[in-house]
Amino acid sequence: EAGVAQSPRYKIIEKRQSVAFWCNPISGHATLYWYQQILGQGPKLLIQFQNNGVVDDSQLPKDRFSAERLKGVDSTLKIQPAKLEDSAVYLCASSFQGLNSGNTIYFGEGSWLTVV
Amino acid sequence: QKEVEQNSGPLSVPEGAIASLNCTYSDRGSQSFFWYRQYSGKSPELIMSIYSNGDKEDGRFTAQLNKASQYVSLLIRDSQPSDSATYLCAVKNDRGSTLGRLYFGRGTQLTVWP
Repeated sequence: EAGVAQSPRYKIIEKRQSVAFWCNPISGHATLYWYQQILGQGPKLLIQFQNNGVVDDSQLPKDRFSAERLKGVDSTLKIQPAKLEDSAVYLCASSFQGLNSGNTIYFGEGSWLTVV
Repeated sequence: QKEVEQNSGPLSVPEGAIASLNCTYSDRGSQSFFWYRQYSGKSPELIMSIYSNGDKEDGRFTAQLNKASQYVSLLIRDSQPSDSATYLCAVKNDRGSTLGRLYFGRGTQLTVWP
């Protein structure tokens, strides 16, 4: 079974530029998550989708971050304009049915962003 | 903000020893508890999940949960150098406004030396 796919793996941009990350979850997984992991910290949830609807985006900095999952499968996370503190790994994850206990969350390899 | 606290590292143990990793959480409504292993430069990988009070064993790993004390731990027996990684404790509340959200601790870095 293919895992969670993410691209690009690495990105270096200047502050105030924009960047977009793409994620393809495991086939059949209804729930998709975007996490931000800053070096030395645990992952922090940015946004959670159930199919193509947003379940939780309370920790998403909406002035600069946006995310969509138009057809309930792939998702894109965009940052515009980027700040230095956005340097982090952006992890996409998916689960079969994230709203219930026992549903394992699987992570992709992550997209490493460096803002200079 | 739901807090998940892990014992500060780094933790260093010799090969063959027992490594003990601890985690406390603030949300009493939490129902699902997970331990993830994260190698440097890699994504988190689930190694244990536990939902009921008591112990759960899987090979060299034992997870322990005490909901009254809001405490979850991971024991690694016969530690191997390949166990050297950061271990992340994660907690999920399956009810209320934070339904399905997974909260992570900062992680404990474990080094197993030969």
